[in-house]
Amino acid sequence: AQSVTQLDSQVPVFEEAPVELRCNYSSSVSVYLFWYVQYPNQGLQLLLKYLSGSTLVKGINGFEAEFNKSQTSFHLRKPSVHISDTAEYFCAPGPYSGAGSYQLTFGKGTKLSVIP
Amino acid sequence: EAQVTQNPRYLITVTGKKLTVTCSQNMNHEYMSWYRQDPGLGLRQIYYSMNVEVTDKGDVPEGYKVSRKEKRNFPLILESPSPNQTSLYFCASSKQGWGGYTFGSGTRLTVV
Repeated sequence: AQSVTQLDSQVPVFEEAPVELRCNYSSSVSVYLFWYVQYPNQGLQLLLKYLSGSTLVKGINGFEAEFNKSQTSFHLRKPSVHISDTAEYFCAPGPYSGAGSYQLTFGKGTKLSVIP
Repeated sequence: EAQVTQNPRYLITVTGKKLTVTCSQNMNHEYMSWYRQDPGLGLRQIYYSMNVEVTDKGDVPEGYKVSRKEKRNFPLILESPSPNQTSLYFCASSKQGWGGYTFGSGTRLTVV
């Protein structure tokens, strides 16, 4: 079983400033890791994923995240945010246990508010 | 277009009146799941299905039923809705191999 903690429920940031949204997870098995974004009044959309290989993964809209196995973290970053990045972001680890396992555990979300 | 389609998008109903929220995917995904989203609680899983005729409870299954008679459809049934089931509901699907989930656009349910 795994659990996930998104350390900040709300993050206000000025436009063009950098941002980091923090995610820590605990798991008894190796994991896959995902970040999803939910824009106002919309469903969740996959932002990026870590399955294996390079620990720095790049996603859509200029976001990237780094998998740190020793710290069990998967923080999301963007060097310069835009107003359109205002949304809620969800971190979601899922267990790596081969074929047939699909369970993701979602964090409670971080609301990013970009201030003009 | 590959997608998960939920209907209806908005629904207001009265306590005790049975309702069904439909979910259909056109990607031949084995796995489907229902979540509810509530402020401050994030997404909580209601039920999931690994394949046709295989379903299992998630974290908050009380008051809900599901069925998976066909691979593409996974309806969520509320036999006797109550006000505490007022929420935003999402259906999601995934293919074996962990590409991640594809989500529907959501159904906002209000039970009065």
